[in-house]
Amino acid sequence: ETAVFQTPNYHVTQVGNEVSFNCKQTLGHDTMYWYKQDSKKLLKIMFSYNNKQLIVNETVPRRFSPQSSDKAHLNLRIKSVEPEDSAVYLCASRDWGVYAEQFFGPGTRLTVL
Amino acid sequence: QQQVRQSPQSLTVWEGGTTVLTCSYEDSTFNYFPWYQQFPGEGPALLISILSVSDKKEDGRFTTFFNKREKKLSLHIIDSQPGDSATYFCMNTGYQNFYFGKGTSLTVIP
Repeated sequence: ETAVFQTPNYHVTQVGNEVSFNCKQTLGHDTMYWYKQDSKKLLKIMFSYNNKQLIVNETVPRRFSPQSSDKAHLNLRIKSVEPEDSAVYLCASRDWGVYAEQFFGPGTRLTVL
Repeated sequence: QQQVRQSPQSLTVWEGGTTVLTCSYEDSTFNYFPWYQQFPGEGPALLISILSVSDKKEDGRFTTFFNKREKKLSLHIIDSQPGDSATYFCMNTGYQNFYFGKGTSLTVIP
């Protein structure tokens, strides 16, 4: 049963455009994440966010930014996309605790032409 | 270094066979290692996890082993089924970061 929802499923755009992806979780978790999964399936965390703290992976370009209206929503905005941004973007949420399970959404596939 | 090295990159087994995936690491903050399973078009989902206090955890046909001395873990799938065809990731947990292996793409042939 899906509890982390992402929209859109797919997005095709041109270099230089701005895009925004949405994520909502209905699990009541305090912490949400954005991951990038490349064509080789490599998963890399981009942002970790709860209602008190944003942690940014230092390798993430500044054109990426998370946006949150409340703890159930964490959107991802990309200003001026580049070809290397083509990937699947996965949103996840997690409860408090080191051993808590991460719940992932189905992902948004971005293609930059 | 909390990165994990995962092998093999891809694997094909016959239905009913045993699948073995391995991961190694250099350092771990919490010695907690989950395995995630990802089907095409879906996000990863937790399959099984193990803590350093244990050296083995079993869940049905899936068993994960942890060797703290050698800093290795493995995932064994017995009686592999076509429905097990997916990508499998091991993961290492840091204080504020998660380190996924590069994944093993498993294909089970009927």
